[in-house]
Amino acid sequence: QKEVEQDPGPLSVPEGAIVSLNCTYSNSAFQYFMWYRQYSRKGPELLMYTYSSGNKEDGRFTAQVDKSSKYISLFIRDSQPSDSATYLCAMSGYSGGSNYKLTFGKGTLLTVNP
Amino acid sequence: DAMVIQNPRYQVTQFGKPVTLSCSQTLNHNVMYWYQQKSSQAPKLLFHYYDKDFNNEADTPDNFQSRRPNTSFCFLDIRSPGLGDAAMYLCATGTTYNEQFFGPGTRLTVL
Repeated sequence: QKEVEQDPGPLSVPEGAIVSLNCTYSNSAFQYFMWYRQYSRKGPELLMYTYSSGNKEDGRFTAQVDKSSKYISLFIRDSQPSDSATYLCAMSGYSGGSNYKLTFGKGTLLTVNP
Repeated sequence: DAMVIQNPRYQVTQFGKPVTLSCSQTLNHNVMYWYQQKSSQAPKLLFHYYDKDFNNEADTPDNFQSRRPNTSFCFLDIRSPGLGDAAMYLCATGTTYNEQFFGPGTRLTVL
């Protein structure tokens, strides 16, 4: 079992739809959870950062972490064509070695159609 | 604006010809990382520095080396690039709270 599982998609939605992106993980040491957006041929851009469980909202984006289920989600409300990108989940936590390393999901390719 | 800068953005080299990629940051973060990303794959960590303390991933080929002369700069040296080394190379900086901020990447082509 991979440490982080993320459905690669592709996911195609109409403009204005609510998008739900998800990752599951197996390492209970993970405490820091991030979502990155990566446009084609660009570097990943940090969208959301969450420590431990709970929700965090930033504009149209909401990140949820459920540590008991080892499940994280990113919701995008009122999706726009400019949201079309690959979304990567990433997480880290102290597990006896370096706690400065991220473990990434494979990324979900999202297309928002006008 | 504080940021992570990578140069060059595109690099073409010949098989076996050494190449150096550079990264600089104005964020004053202690941690700097080098990742390799191939098409439709997640970034793969090559190594990272905490200050001057170098940490190599176990599966990073010996062909890849790195230097960090000061807090602001970090270099990735590929001694003898092979066709399989063609990829996007991403530099990132990190805080002690594990957030990482990526540069725009250098796309390496090996002919």
